[in-house]
Amino acid sequence: DTGVSQDPRHKITKRGQNVTFRCDPISEHNRLYWYRQTLGQGPEFLTYFQNEAQLEKSRLLSDRFSAERPKGSFSTLEIQRTEQGDSAMYLCASSPASGTQETQYFGPGTRLLVL
Amino acid sequence: LAKTTQPISMDSYEGQEVNITCSHNNIATNDYITWYQQFPSQGPRFIIQGYKTKVTNEVASLFIPADRKSSTLSLPRVSLSDTAVYYCLVGAHYSSASKIIFGSGTRLSIRP
Repeated sequence: DTGVSQDPRHKITKRGQNVTFRCDPISEHNRLYWYRQTLGQGPEFLTYFQNEAQLEKSRLLSDRFSAERPKGSFSTLEIQRTEQGDSAMYLCASSPASGTQETQYFGPGTRLLVL
Repeated sequence: LAKTTQPISMDSYEGQEVNITCSHNNIATNDYITWYQQFPSQGPRFIIQGYKTKVTNEVASLFIPADRKSSTLSLPRVSLSDTAVYYCLVGAHYSSASKIIFGSGTRLSIRP
């Protein structure tokens, strides 16, 4: 069990550019979550997948954000036309089908800085 | 959705027992209480979860009174490495993922 991994760990981009982050959950975890975390705050829910189906999306997820989980394994989070307000840590988490929603295993996060 | 309230920050010293209390006055019958720990530049880590009375694992203990309107995370004999942010969450098993709210947490600082 290698844990949840995320790539890249850090990303610096210019305003207006598109960025894509990848998350590899713990194998056999069919639930996958994306969160955003800004300095001094706890993680804020963005979206939730069960297998390949995106079951929930937060209102925080504007139309510039899109997430996919093809084949129910890894997931990608894309931000189009980035804005300075998108600067944050983007966290991915996974959990097994047998567990509770509250018991999640988090990755190290991708820190995004939009200049 | 049960809202939680916890202290913004706490300080303690190595070797002491630290108790962090979380208030959740509107907790529902089906809600569980879950605590996470987060170190700087890392994702949160699940510590402990409970429904009532007391739960203990190798990391911490969780005390929940009979009315369940609060809970206390107890860290025995803390060390410098326990310096982190601790989050209290309340929610029902298999509830909506979007209803999982971390809040701002409690920033625990341990001094030598």
